[in-house]
Amino acid sequence: EAAVTQSPRSKVAVTGGKVTLSCHQTNNHDYMYWYRQDTGHGLRLIHYSYVADSTEKGDIPDGYKASRPSQENFSLILELASLSQTAVYFCASNNRGLGNTLYFGEGSRLIVV
Amino acid sequence: GDSVTQTEGPVTLSEGTSLTVNCSYETKQYPTLFWYVQYPGEGPQLLFKVPKANEKGSSRGFEATYNKEATSFHLQKASVQESDSAVYYCALSDHSGGSNYKLTFGKGTLLTVTP
Repeated sequence: EAAVTQSPRSKVAVTGGKVTLSCHQTNNHDYMYWYRQDTGHGLRLIHYSYVADSTEKGDIPDGYKASRPSQENFSLILELASLSQTAVYFCASNNRGLGNTLYFGEGSRLIVV
Repeated sequence: GDSVTQTEGPVTLSEGTSLTVNCSYETKQYPTLFWYVQYPGEGPQLLFKVPKANEKGSSRGFEATYNKEATSFHLQKASVQESDSAVYYCALSDHSGGSNYKLTFGKGTLLTVTP
C-alpha cells in the first residue's frame, strides 16, 4: 500500500520565520503534491511536481515555494511565514497509471503566531 | 476552470438513518469522479471512483452514480454507523490531453453520527 510520510506532524512558527515541511514517499510515484486544508475551503492545491528537480504552481502558490530534489522527496517552503498560513498541510502522490487516485500523508499542522 | 460544489456541513445523523451528500460539478472535459473520506487525525483516502458516465461506484456501503446529464455525483448510504463519522470530499479529474495530474476538490462535508 502507498506510504507517504510527512514531517514535522505539528509545528508552531513565528511570523516572519522560515518553515520547511517535508514529504517522503516510498512508492516510486512520479507525481507529488502539496495541499492546504482549511475549514470552509476544503483541499486546495499549492504546488505539485511530476519529475525530480521540477515543480509547478497549483491554485494557491503565493507565499509558498516547493522543492523536489529526488523522486521520493518533496518539500514545501514558507520563506516568511504569516498568520494566514496557519492550516493543515497534506502531501500526496500518485502515478498516471493509478487512475489519478491520490495517496495522502497524515498531514502537518502548522500554527503561525 | 473545473469546480465542485457539495453539501455544506456539518451534518449530524443518528445511527441507522440514511445519508445523502449532494455533489455537483462543472467542467468542460470528460472527468473521472471521486469520493474521498478523511477520518479524524488522518489524511484523506479514496472511498471510490467512477470514470464513466452513468456508472455507479460503491464501497463500505456507500454508493454514487455518475450522472452526466445532471452533472451530479451524490453520495448515499442507507444506514450510517458511528464509525462513518468523517469528512467526505467530492472531487473530479479531467482527461483532456492526458492532463491527469491533479484533482479538483469540493469543500468537504463533515458528518457526525450519534449513537
